[in-house]
Amino acid sequence: KNEVEQSPQNLTAQEGEFITINCSYSVGISALHWLQQHPGGGIVSLFMLSSGKKKHGRLIATINIQEKHSSLHITASHPRDSAVYICAALSMNRDDKIIFGKGTRLHILP
Amino acid sequence: KAGVTQTPRYLIKTRGQQVTLSCSPISGHRSVSWYQQTPGQGLQFLFEYFSETQRNKGNFPGRFSGRQFSNSRSEMNVSTLELGDSALYLCASRRGGSTGELFFGEGSRLTVL
Repeated sequence: KNEVEQSPQNLTAQEGEFITINCSYSVGISALHWLQQHPGGGIVSLFMLSSGKKKHGRLIATINIQEKHSSLHITASHPRDSAVYICAALSMNRDDKIIFGKGTRLHILP
Repeated sequence: KAGVTQTPRYLIKTRGQQVTLSCSPISGHRSVSWYQQTPGQGLQFLFEYFSETQRNKGNFPGRFSGRQFSNSRSEMNVSTLELGDSALYLCASRRGGSTGELFFGEGSRLTVL
């Protein structure tokens, strides 16, 4: 079992739909990153959070430390949101090493 | 403000050769970390350098090595290339602390024939 699990692996939705991507982890963490990767490879850091909730535009990230779970929400989804979303846990147990989820491939249809 | 710059962007090598990849971090950032991304394994942490010292290392063989210079630029080297080393190699920089936001480069895509 991976130490960082994401679901779903693939998600196709219509433009305008509310999107939720989940990330569960089994290690103690000091922070969790949500990353976005577009075709071609470039990665952008969307959020880094260690507690509570953060919002940036149509994106919202939440984390529940007790349940070891984080979610990324996209409101009013748009085709330009199509990308791979990756959660990455900064592990306290492994000398601050970053452990990545396998990613969620999101496709928003116009 | 210039972003993280990786060179070369694409390269093709043959088995047994060695390769050196370069990463120039954002000005003022002292930490550079390296990652390997493959379709099968996804993203995996290689190592992190801070102020010219390796701070962390992932589970990769000794053929993978790196270094950081006094201007924070970093290089990674892979010796005795294997077919399985074909991957996208990404570097990321951050200002300093281990919980700082990561800024990624566009990556170097290595193909080993």
